[in-house]
Amino acid sequence: GQNIDQPTEMTATEGAIVQINCTYQTSGFNGLFWYQQHAGEAPTFLSYNVLDGLEEKGRFSSFLSRSKGYSYLLLKELQMKDSASYLCAVRGSYIPTFGRGTSLIVHP
Amino acid sequence: DAGVTQSPTHLIKTRGQQVTLRCSPKSGHDTVSWYQQALGQGPQFIFQYYEEEERQRGNFPDRFSGHQFPNYSSELNVNALLLGDSALYLCASSLGGDRMGEQYFGPGTRLTVT
Repeated sequence: GQNIDQPTEMTATEGAIVQINCTYQTSGFNGLFWYQQHAGEAPTFLSYNVLDGLEEKGRFSSFLSRSKGYSYLLLKELQMKDSASYLCAVRGSYIPTFGRGTSLIVHP
Repeated sequence: DAGVTQSPTHLIKTRGQQVTLRCSPKSGHDTVSWYQQALGQGPQFIFQYYEEEERQRGNFPDRFSGHQFPNYSSELNVNALLLGDSALYLCASSLGGDRMGEQYFGPGTRLTVT
């Protein structure tokens, strides 16, 4: 089966750095994805990791360790608009599985 | 460049009824995936259509069926609605079959079953 764990909620201060962790257990592995979802809106693609290491894209970075079944999303220079749910999704052998999402609250 | 569109935006149905949801993929995309997202949960994969065929299917009963048209648009049909089918139904489009890569999600259809 597939199992993805991520914290339910996190809070951080504007301008700070926050790391959202994701651990997974899947049968097969064909990539890990991070999506951002604002309340009442559709998820938007943030990053994709298929090999171990860090992928950087502006203020957002994503890290993957396949041997540990672990990933994190790093958000730098937090802005109020970053308040959203962050979804970790793993594509196992075929079917993509999403975690429940981490609700990030950024306060002034 | 038109993004993914879905219709209707909201829908209220009664238990036992049938519903059809529609999706038009992003321009240039040929693959459509459907997801169900319950409140406070992540999206759950229902199925994926490519070349007018269902290519992959998640753990959903046969009450959930779909179709893809030659113009790549897609429909999701749910028969014999249950209260538990109340959710946000998301359509996502991508290019090239089973490559999940960069999926673009539509705004979703909020289905309420009473």
